[in-house]
Amino acid sequence: QKEVEQDPGPLSVPEGAIVSLNCTYSNSAFQYFMWYRQYSRKGPELLMYTYSSGNKEDGRFTAQVDKSSKYISLFIRDSQPSDSATYLCAMSGNEKLTFGTGTRLTIIP
Amino acid sequence: ETGVTQTPRHLVMGMTNKKSLKCEQHLGHNAMYWYKQSAKKPLELMFVYNFKEQTENNSVPSRFSPECPNSSHLFLHLHTLQPEDSALYLCASSPRGVGGTPETQYFGPGTRLLVL
Repeated sequence: QKEVEQDPGPLSVPEGAIVSLNCTYSNSAFQYFMWYRQYSRKGPELLMYTYSSGNKEDGRFTAQVDKSSKYISLFIRDSQPSDSATYLCAMSGNEKLTFGTGTRLTIIP
Repeated sequence: ETGVTQTPRHLVMGMTNKKSLKCEQHLGHNAMYWYKQSAKKPLELMFVYNFKEQTENNSVPSRFSPECPNSSHLFLHLHTLQPEDSALYLCASSPRGVGGTPETQYFGPGTRLLVL
């Protein structure tokens, strides 16, 4: 079993829709959870960073962590074509980051 | 831009060539990383340098040789690569390295490598 599971997609939604991206994990030592966004031909850029369980909101983006279920989510409200990218979840205990495979998202105008 | 630059952006090399990838960070960070990104696979951590000292080598074949002359620069020397080494090679930096609270990592744009 992979430490981090992420549906690779692709996922296509119409502009303005709410997008839900998810990852599950098996290592209960993970405490730090991140979402990276990667545009084509670019490196990943940090989008959201949360510690332990709970929600964190930043503009149209909400990150949610449920440690009891070992499940994290990223919600994008009022999705825009500029949100089209690959979204990578990443998590860590005290050391190196473990990444998901990434979900490729396309927002259709 | 994230403050992490990588050159070259694209590289095509034969299996007998020797080439080097360069990474530079302008963020004042202490830790630098090399990752390999292949299609439909998670990012694979290759090497970690913390205060110029290598702290992790993730079972990487010896045909990949890292070098960190100072905390702002990181190189990946390549020789006798195989076609399966074709991938996007990403450099990242963070304020502190492993061993403490993990800091977020900032990535460069990557070098797209094709081995023929």
